[in-house]
Formats: sequence, C-alpha cells, structure tokens
Amino acid sequence: EDKVVQSPLSLVVHEGDTVTLNCSYEVTNFRSLLWYKQEKKAPTFLFMLTSSGIEKKSGRLSSILDKKELFSILNITATQTGDSAVYLCAVEYFGYGGSQGNLIFGKGTKLSVKP
Amino acid sequence: DVKVTQSSRYLVKRTGEKVFLECVQDMDHENMFWYRQDPGLGLRLIYFSYDVKMKEKGDIPEGYSVSREKKERFSLILESASTNQTSMYLCASSPGGFVNTEAFFGQGTRLTVV
Repeated sequence: EDKVVQSPLSLVVHEGDTVTLNCSYEVTNFRSLLWYKQEKKAPTFLFMLTSSGIEKKSGRLSSILDKKELFSILNITATQTGDSAVYLCAVEYFGYGGSQGNLIFGKGTKLSVKP
Repeated sequence: DVKVTQSSRYLVKRTGEKVFLECVQDMDHENMFWYRQDPGLGLRLIYFSYDVKMKEKGDIPEGYSVSREKKERFSLILESASTNQTSMYLCASSPGGFVNTEAFFGQGTRLTVV
C-alpha cells in the first residue's frame, strides 16, 4: 500500500531555532515530492522535488530529496513566529495507464514557533 | 496566477440533505481533485478527475459522488449528508499529461452537518 509518513507530528521551538521536518514514502511509480505550508486556509506550495541530491532553497527554507532512501527533509533556519503552520508532504505518482498524476499526502507536521 | 475557487467558505446543512460543493479553476487544468481534511488524519482523497466526464475513486469515496461536465468545474455531491461528513473540503487542480508541476488548492469549504 502506498504511503507517506511525516515526522515529527508536532514540534515546538523558539524563534531563531533551526528545524528539520522529515518525510518518508513508499510509493509505486514515483513522480515527484512536494512540500506545502498550511496556515488557517488552504495549503500553499513550497517546493517540488524530482531529482535526488539537488537542494531547493527559498529564503530560510530548503529541501532535499533522497530517492534511494525514499525520504525528503524540509529545513527552516532562523525560525520566526510566522513559520508556525502545518507542513504537508505529498508524493505524486503516475496513475492508471501511466498518464495521470495523483497525490498522497502525509498527515503533516504541526510547527509552533514561540517568541 | 492560477485560481481555484470554491463556491462557499462555510456551509451548515441538515442530516439527509443533498449537498453540492462546487470548484472552478481558470487555468485549463486537466486534473481536478476533492479532498477532505480532518484533524489527525491529514488530507484524504475522495475523488479525482483527469478529463471531462472522467472520474476515479480516491481513498474514501463512500457517501460522495462527483460531476465534471465542463473542464473548469468539478462538483462534489453528498447525496444524503451525515454528521460524519462534517469536515474541511479542499479542491485542487493540476495540469495533466507528463508535466511535473504542483497542484493548486482552493480556499476550502468548512461543512458542518447537524
């Protein structure tokens, strides 16, 4: 059965700390791995990863994929209270017939950043 | 910017009512999805559609049906709403074919069934 597992489920840190969020997956016909940030409304896209070992960066956030060990990490440096959110990992896989993609989501990591 | 619009932010319906949740995207995407999100369970796929009039069951299709008569619109139907369908419903769309791109989400509909 295809699955995506995120850890930890929740995390409390103080401003300025660095955090690492984990996402492991077991998916047939892997296509890509995506990270989303969800605050009070719908998830917003952070990164899409398709190749192993290539780090993607956006400001204080970065992410990398290991397709051999089947996991990805999301790093946030110098955390701020505005980083408090649920971070979702999703894996896209080829659907029936190989022509469509679908997504499996992990349960998310709830990050709380205290002042 | 890609826009995925869900018709209602909040809905309150009675048990047994027929409920329609509408989703419209404006980027000519082939794929559209309906998820529900519940605390501790993450996002779970209800149905998805990869073309007009085409649909596939997701992980939790029971109690739901969908309709995609036009490419831009994907409707989720609760034939007879029940209290265990109280949830946040999220619609998403993504380009089809072999292009690796992200999915775009609507703002969500918080449905309460009383």
